[in-house]
Amino acid sequence: DTGVSQDPRHKITKRGQNVTFRCDPISEHNRLYWYRQTLGQGPEFLTYFQNEAQLEKSRLLSDRFSAERPKGSFSTLEIQRTEQGDSAMYLCASSLENRDIAYEQYFGPGTRLTVT
Amino acid sequence: AQTVTQSQPEMSVQEAETVTLSCTYDTSENNYYLFWYKQPPSRQMILVIRQEAYKQQNATENRFSVNFQKAAKSFSLKISDSQLGDTAMYFCAFMKHWGNTPLVFGKGTRLSVIA
Repeated sequence: DTGVSQDPRHKITKRGQNVTFRCDPISEHNRLYWYRQTLGQGPEFLTYFQNEAQLEKSRLLSDRFSAERPKGSFSTLEIQRTEQGDSAMYLCASSLENRDIAYEQYFGPGTRLTVT
Repeated sequence: AQTVTQSQPEMSVQEAETVTLSCTYDTSENNYYLFWYKQPPSRQMILVIRQEAYKQQNATENRFSVNFQKAAKSFSLKISDSQLGDTAMYFCAFMKHWGNTPLVFGKGTRLSVIA
């Protein structure tokens, strides 16, 4: 078990370009979450999956954002036509789903996006 | 909607001393979970301690303990015998009881432990 991994760790892009981030959760975890963290703020929820099903999307997730989790394993988060306001740390977390117990969410190291 | 408030943006403590970080929250839920997460500089977030709202006993993990006041909607973290490795951002977070829903985080408190 190597923990949650994210790729790339850093991404610099020009405004208007598309970017895609990848998250590999802990292998037996069926829940996968995406959060966004801007400087001086706590992480804010974007979207989450149970297996391959996307269960909820935040209002923060505009039409330019899309996330997938094909086959219920790794997940990708794509941002189209990036804007400077998209500059942030994008965090991925995974956990086991259980109605009765709040299993810990394990976080990855994040992908830091800078839009110039 | 749930909100989490951390009113101390920055704190410092001498090594080996005790420090308390504050957190308040607002919710209409009766059953929920509360967490403290630690985010060291340039490193990933890790769980420090969690509390189930239906448990009256305060959670403890080694040098870390909480003071959970459900009626006051307060959830503070006490770090005893502070160590240099405790230097980090600390986030208070809320989760609704059912189904491992997404976390709602506060803005964080930056803790510096001074030698």
